[in-house]
Amino acid sequence: EAEVAQSPRYKITEKSQAVAFWCDPISGHATLYWYRQILGQGPELLVQFQDESVVDDSQLPKDRFSAERLKGVDSTLKIQPAELGDSAMYLCASSTMNTEAFFGQGTRLTVV
Amino acid sequence: AQSVTQLGSHVSVSEGALVLLRCNYSSSVPPYLFWYVQYPNQGLQLLLKYTTGATLVKGINGFEAEFKKSETSFHLTKPSAHMSDAAEYFCAVSLPGDYKLSFGAGTTVTVRA
Repeated sequence: EAEVAQSPRYKITEKSQAVAFWCDPISGHATLYWYRQILGQGPELLVQFQDESVVDDSQLPKDRFSAERLKGVDSTLKIQPAELGDSAMYLCASSTMNTEAFFGQGTRLTVV
Repeated sequence: AQSVTQLGSHVSVSEGALVLLRCNYSSSVPPYLFWYVQYPNQGLQLLLKYTTGATLVKGINGFEAEFKKSETSFHLTKPSAHMSDAAEYFCAVSLPGDYKLSFGAGTTVTVRA
C-alpha cells in the first residue's frame, strides 16, 4: 500500500540550530502539505504545494521557516534557527485533485 | 474561512458502550467534512469523509457520521466501543474540491474495561 514517507521520525536539536525534515509523497500526488501539530492541539497548515509551486504559505513563519519541492516530488521543510516554541509534530500529507489527504507518520521535533 | 469546533476534549466510555464525538463546523459554502484518528506518535488516518450525496457516511472500524446542514454538525458515532478505539480523534473541514484541511482541537477517547 502506498504511503507518505517522512524522515526522521524523531529529532532533538538545540535552540538556534538548523533542522530539516524530509517528505516523499505518494507517487502521483501533485499536492503536498506540511502541517504543524503542537501537543494537545489539532494540526495547522504551514504550506501547500501544487507540483513545485507554493499555493498557500500564509501561515508559514517565513523569518525562520522555509519549504521547497524543487522537482515537484519530495519536499524539505527547514527551520533556522530553531526556537523552543517550535517543538511539535510536523506532519506531511499528499493528495490528488480527487482524493482526500493521506498523512505520513510525522517527525516529532524537540528543541532544547 | 472554514472552522471546526469539537465539543469535549476528553471522552471516557466503557467497552461496549456507544461512542459519540461532537463536531460543529462553520463554512460559507457547503463543505467537505472529515474525521481522522491519531494514535500516539503516529500520523493521521482517515476514518470517513463527506463530500456530496448521502448524508450518513460509514467509515472504517465501525464508525459512522451524519452530515446535518441545518445543525452545521458532523458528529461521529460507533455503537460499541472497543479497547482499540482509544486514540485522539480530529474533525476537519475543507472547501469543496479542495483537500486543504482546517482541524478541530481534537477529542481524546479513553475506553474503560
